Amino acid sequence: EIQLQESGPGLVKPSQSLSLTCSVTGYTITSGYDWSWIRKFPGNKMEWMGYISYSGSTNYNPSLKSRISITRDTSKNQFFLQLNSVTTEDTATYYCARYEYTTGVMDAWGQGASVTVSS
Amino acid sequence: DVVLTQTPPTLSATIGQSVSISCRSSQSLLDSDGDTYLNWLLQRPGQSPQLLIYSVSNLESGVPNRFSGSGSETDFTLKISGVEAEDLGVYYCMQATHAPLTFGSGTKLEIK
Repeated sequence: EIQLQESGPGLVKPSQSLSLTCSVTGYTITSGYDWSWIRKFPGNKMEWMGYISYSGSTNYNPSLKSRISITRDTSKNQFFLQLNSVTTEDTATYYCARYEYTTGVMDAWGQGASVTVSS
Repeated sequence: DVVLTQTPPTLSATIGQSVSISCRSSQSLLDSDGDTYLNWLLQRPGQSPQLLIYSVSNLESGVPNRFSGSGSETDFTLKISGVEAEDLGVYYCMQATHAPLTFGSGTKLEIK
């Protein structure tokens, strides 16, 4: 059974970078699928941030394109989110998920990591 | 970006009642390949979102068949035929036809 688990700091100062790790067990991230980051803001709004494919290519939401980077460490079966120049508006719960491009389905999600941007 | 508008924002139901949630898209979600990439997810309190229905009407494995989806182009509906206590949470529609992927505004289902 696949499991995803987010980890990283729960508090980030404005203008700094937010960095999160998604650790995947039960499936090898180079075997298939696209590995996504999604965030949920206070008040239920959800935003797809981007993904890194099994081959290593990336695709980002244009609204974040200048600030976001998704990378991976295949030896650890992990992928990462970096969001630069954060503001209080980046306060959210961040989820990693497995995404299948051909069907448009996100069929496995992590439990989420709450990140607050505050000085 | 495609805007998905869900109604109602909040729904209160008794156990056994049937309810429907609407998701309207600002653009047709019919893809050039003939499929429509409109999915429904449920986020229960304290849990991560889970997939209920994909491609408008296909029930994800393990999801009870009291959940059903219908619709086409820009108008879609999730129906729960006989609400159970475990169905409380926030329901989202999500589209993957047009980049970037977008989510609906959410519908919170409360149990009376």
